[in-house]
Amino acid sequence: KQEVTQIPAALSVPEGENLVLNCSFTDSAIYNLQWFRQDPGKGLTSLLLIQSSQREQTSGRLNASLDKSSGRSTLYIAASQPGDSATYLCAVVPGGYNKLIFGAGTRLAVHP
Amino acid sequence: GAGVSQSPSNKVTEKGKDVELRCDPISGHTALYWYRQSLGQGLEFLIYFQGNSAPDKSGLPSDRFSAERTGGSVSTLTIQRTQQEDSAVYLCASSRGASGSPSYNEQFFGPGTRLTVL
Repeated sequence: KQEVTQIPAALSVPEGENLVLNCSFTDSAIYNLQWFRQDPGKGLTSLLLIQSSQREQTSGRLNASLDKSSGRSTLYIAASQPGDSATYLCAVVPGGYNKLIFGAGTRLAVHP
Repeated sequence: GAGVSQSPSNKVTEKGKDVELRCDPISGHTALYWYRQSLGQGLEFLIYFQGNSAPDKSGLPSDRFSAERTGGSVSTLTIQRTQQEDSAVYLCASSRGASGSPSYNEQFFGPGTRLTVL
């Protein structure tokens, strides 16, 4: 059974710091991995999708890497801003399925 | 273009009543998914539609839960005889398709329906 873990559960940093959020999954047979952002009381916003054959994806100040064999992904946020404050969720699509399996999220607070 | 929309945004009901939640996917998206987000359980998959068919219903928690999709577009999630443990945010997502390129599988979420069962 695929399980997804995110570390840390919560993170508080001063504005301007570069930071790394970690995601690990127990079964390396995945179809793809998706990172989301969720603001309080809102739905999920897709940030990056990494296909199983890819090693990384970049969008603006965000960079996500994937090491499928070790069951790990990281989300790197450069030059963090208060507007980055949100919960970040990692999710995988197991091979042979279409559903997303989610981690519990990392709650990020960036203070001025 | 418009994103995924859900209605109602909030629903308060009494225990034992039936509720219907609606999802309008992004136009042209053939795959549609329902998830549930609750404090104790995190985000859980409920059901997946490809077109009007539901090849994966494995996440529906009981036979009180059902869903349908018509015209390859709008979907309705119905909960019969609601219980307090059904209280959660119900999220709908859609993707271009669920086969072929993995990028077609990128899921886009609606704002959710917050269900409270008293």
